[in-house]
Amino acid sequence: GDSVTQMEGPVTLSEEAFLTINCTYTATGYPSLFWYVQYPGEGLQLLLKATKADDKGSNKGFEATYRKETTSFHLEKGSVQVSDSAVYFCARPQGGSEKLVFGKGTKLTVNP
Amino acid sequence: GAVVSQHPSWVICKSGTSVKIECRSLDFQATTMFWYRQFPKQSLMLMATSNEGSKATYEQGVEKDKFLINHASLTLSTLTVTSAHPEDSSFYICSAKVARGTDTQYFGPGTRLTVL
Repeated sequence: GDSVTQMEGPVTLSEEAFLTINCTYTATGYPSLFWYVQYPGEGLQLLLKATKADDKGSNKGFEATYRKETTSFHLEKGSVQVSDSAVYFCARPQGGSEKLVFGKGTKLTVNP
Repeated sequence: GAVVSQHPSWVICKSGTSVKIECRSLDFQATTMFWYRQFPKQSLMLMATSNEGSKATYEQGVEKDKFLINHASLTLSTLTVTSAHPEDSSFYICSAKVARGTDTQYFGPGTRLTVL
């Protein structure tokens, strides 16, 4: 079935380090792809999205490129900040429905 | 834009009582809302899909008589946990879609339910 697989954390980085969180999706159709972020004790916020192959979503210094050839949507940021500490979820629609399928989440901790 | 609120943000109740959680879309009309449950350090589990004016569609394994969902207007959906027990303690999150045919869901801030 439709799914996304993201690298499991936790990931711990120092401030200003480069971040990559891997996400791959099952190649059924050409789904929109999403990254959501969840700060401690809060709901999810849409971080960025891409709707078709080769699209690059970006927001708050984060980027992810929709790669059809590798069925990937890896999240990257060139220089993380302490305030980026959160759990990041990759997601895609479940084909033929209105539902979203989420990855298991990757907890990022950025130390000063 | 696309702001979703939840109320209350946290609630503590005694075992056996019922608790109602509200989910509102503040600046758009949401034809479809979703209710999720999240256990500590885990991903979201979809409980049900709620369409305005019709009965909610529950995911397999979710008791519809236990988790009552009402979507009476285009801006409000409610989840009532009936006869709550400690195992119902969890973080409940709602989301809403801006329009049919779109993929993006906007999430509320969540409600922390603790059943004593």
